[in-house]
Amino acid sequence: QVQLLQSGAEVKKPGASVKVSCKASGYTFSIYGFTWVRQAPGQGLERMGWIIAYNANTNYEQKFQGRVTMTTDTSTSTAYMELRSLISDDTAVYYCATFIYGSGSYLTLWGQGTLVTVSS
Amino acid sequence: EIVMTQSPATLSVSPGERATLSCRASQSVSSNLAWYQQKPGQAPRLLIYGASTRATGIPARFSGSGSGTEFTLTISSLQSEDFAVYYCQQYNNWQTFGQGTKVEIK
Repeated sequence: QVQLLQSGAEVKKPGASVKVSCKASGYTFSIYGFTWVRQAPGQGLERMGWIIAYNANTNYEQKFQGRVTMTTDTSTSTAYMELRSLISDDTAVYYCATFIYGSGSYLTLWGQGTLVTVSS
Repeated sequence: EIVMTQSPATLSVSPGERATLSCRASQSVSSNLAWYQQKPGQAPRLLIYGASTRATGIPARFSGSGSGTEFTLTISSLQSEDFAVYYCQQYNNWQTFGQGTKVEIK
């Protein structure tokens, strides 16, 4: 079964870092790109950036430049998103979603989401 | 950056009626436009890509149209399970989401 399974909820203090994982199963990992999207409580979808699995090329939204790092581990078919210097406004559900690189970056499959709460 | 603007913000529709949602791009995105459905507590789900192609398993009552800067998602006869928030996303130049349209029961 094709699916993306994300890591569990996190509670972090301001200034800390969080690393969310997204494990893919049921398909060829390397042909895909992974977009990370977050959704603050009651708000819309906000793109953070993407990483292409086969060559690890990344593209980050300017808003997150310098604070986010996206990586992949092809040996375990897992994508990671690390966000540093957390503030309360980073409280959100973080989603990974995949697209087939070279076929249009619409997001065909989504993870279940990971709630990250930033609170002192 | 391409800005996507959806209208209306909220659409009140009775079950069985037609719903028409709009999405406008700040510059042409050709047909590189997708629509997603999100229900409370769930991840978004792909409905339409290429402006008009239904994703696997999506019922025929969902249809998309448009190209360039103006796009429409139509739900021909709303079912109870269709009340949700709908987002458009352009993928002609990186990716950008609209702010969403909530379809609620009238």
